[in-house]
Amino acid sequence: GDSVTQTEGPVTVSESESLIINCTYSATSIAYPNLFWYVRYPGEGLQLLLKVITAGQKGSSRGFEATYNKETTSFHLQKASVQESDSAVYYCALGLHVGDNSKLIWGLGTSLVVNP
Amino acid sequence: NSKVIQTPRYLVKGQGQKAKMRCIPEKGHPVVFWYQQNKNNEFKFLINFQNQEVLQQIDMTEKRFSAECPSNSPCSLEIQSSEAGDSALYLCASSLSKGGEQYFGPGTRLTVL
Repeated sequence: GDSVTQTEGPVTVSESESLIINCTYSATSIAYPNLFWYVRYPGEGLQLLLKVITAGQKGSSRGFEATYNKETTSFHLQKASVQESDSAVYYCALGLHVGDNSKLIWGLGTSLVVNP
Repeated sequence: NSKVIQTPRYLVKGQGQKAKMRCIPEKGHPVVFWYQQNKNNEFKFLINFQNQEVLQQIDMTEKRFSAECPSNSPCSLEIQSSEAGDSALYLCASSLSKGGEQYFGPGTRLTVL
């Protein structure tokens, strides 16, 4: 079936360290799904962080990057130097769109704690 | 920032009671989605609409939930007879197209006692 697996949290890093949150997916109902990272900051709602709809392309936002890798079915989230304000829960999601069948398949989220 | 509005933010119901929540999608977004996020952080797609028409819904939604997106009124999701297992965060999202980016509201947190 369609599923998303991501790094189990919490992930704790110190400010200015690099970060990688792994995301791998399985898409059986569609060959080229859209891929998304959403973020939920403390006390706020879900926000779209970045998206990539074409295999091989990279998306970036707020210093975060993720590359759509069709061969390894991965969409890892990376940042070279995290800040305390990046502390949040990050969700990887698979976008399925086949006719009227349109929905997001979600990972379980990765809680990121950035220490000052 | 998303402009999807969800009310109420918190809802407490007893088992067997009806629980109704509302969503106003972003202006100009014809597609609306409802998801349930449980205490284990698992998301479950419930139903989606394009304008006033249901596109797709899961079996649970068809049997125990009532949902609609009337013209010029908020969308709504109602659980006909709440169960303890329905305690969750209910998220509404809207989009310009079926496969497009989804923008989320803050959610309605339902607690069924």
